[in-house]
Amino acid sequence: GDSVTQMEGPVTLSEEAFLTINCTYTATGYPSLFWYVQYPGEGLQLLLKATKADDKGSNKGFEATYRKETTSFHLEKGSVQVSDSAVYFCALTRNQGAQKLVFGQGTRLTINP
Amino acid sequence: EPEVTQTPSHQVTQMGQEVILRCVPISNHLYFYWYRQILGQKVEFLVSFYNNEISEKSEIFDDQFSVERPDGSNFTLKIRSTKLEDSAMYFCASSAAGDNSPLHFGNGTRLTVT
Repeated sequence: GDSVTQMEGPVTLSEEAFLTINCTYTATGYPSLFWYVQYPGEGLQLLLKATKADDKGSNKGFEATYRKETTSFHLEKGSVQVSDSAVYFCALTRNQGAQKLVFGQGTRLTINP
Repeated sequence: EPEVTQTPSHQVTQMGQEVILRCVPISNHLYFYWYRQILGQKVEFLVSFYNNEISEKSEIFDDQFSVERPDGSNFTLKIRSTKLEDSAMYFCASSAAGDNSPLHFGNGTRLTVT
């Protein structure tokens, strides 16, 4: 079945550091790919998405490129801030109609000033 | 910005008791979902609901679970006889349409079964 694998956390970085959170997936066909973020005490929020190969999703300085050849969707940011501290989830969906998201295990990111 | 609201934020119940988790989706959304996250594990899909019926459910969503949209605004998840392993964070979500319409999640209800 479909699955998503993220790099193990927690990840701790200093402010202004470069961030990469790796995500790879297993799915048949052409899934849509997502990054969701969960800030402390809040629900999951869509951060960015890509719906086809070579698409780049971007938002709030974060980027991820849909790489079909490596089945990857790595999240990157050039200069992180303390406010980026959160749990990040990679996810995919193949459904037409209602979306059955398949999530990775989440990566907790802590940014120190 | 409109948001999905869930109540209560934390529910404690005894094993074998019935529990109802409540959600108010965004008002013009058509698709409704429940997901759950057991502590330390992945967020898992439970069920999707569209046009007043279940459109898909996972193997987790057995006969102990049911969903309902009793009026034009609420969407509920009922667990008929809770088990210890039902302890988890339950997230409600809604989307305006299917396909790639983004899901909007609530803040979750933490269910603790003792």
